[in-house]
Amino acid sequence: QAVLTQPSSLSASPGASASLTCTLRSGVNVATNNVYWYQQKTGSPPQWLLRYKSDSDKQQGSGVPSRFSGSKDASANAAILLISGLQSEDEADYYCMIWHSSTWVFGGGTKLTVL
Amino acid sequence: QVQMVQSGAEVKKPGASVRVSCQASGYTFTTYDINWVRQAPGQGLEWLGWMSPNTGNTGYAQNFQGRVTMTRSTSISTAYMELSSLRSEDTAVYYCARDGFGGSGAFDLWGQGTMITVSS
Repeated sequence: QAVLTQPSSLSASPGASASLTCTLRSGVNVATNNVYWYQQKTGSPPQWLLRYKSDSDKQQGSGVPSRFSGSKDASANAAILLISGLQSEDEADYYCMIWHSSTWVFGGGTKLTVL
Repeated sequence: QVQMVQSGAEVKKPGASVRVSCQASGYTFTTYDINWVRQAPGQGLEWLGWMSPNTGNTGYAQNFQGRVTMTRSTSISTAYMELSSLRSEDTAVYYCARDGFGGSGAFDLWGQGTMITVSS
């Protein structure tokens, strides 16, 4: 079982909100992990969006709009990237990442379509 | 201008080695660790390892132990990633990425990517 699992795709309408989930494997506790989120548009390198550990321990990437935010669902052992006020330019692949067993591990990515 | 510029695309035969360079500019090269990440065509991201340009210390993903070597030349602010014993599954875009906050996963500056194709 993969360390981080993301849904392969998600669709949402312009102006709406989108919640992208990143589920940690059983035994890997979301509460104790810093979760990093990246956005990758077609043909470009990834861009770091934010780090989220808790509401009191988080970090936004430089120039990243505040409509990108992080949270956690402890009951589901999952991290969440919330994008509010969706815009067409938000259409991209999104990856979560954690440090696990001395390795930076990425989720498989979620392709977000804004239509 | 703060940027990382990588070397150009290469085609290699199975069993060969490849070295990708990543030249930093616009900031002090030795201040930030450099990570290497790859992405196979149509696939997700995979981390290969990190290097401290200041000390030369490295850490490699277990999947690449014994096949990957990361080095640097501080005089020209350039990091290198060499991957040996290439196989077709190594065909991917290879990125260098700066760790903006020291030992974190905040890779805040990326190179443009280098396409490595392994084919007989």
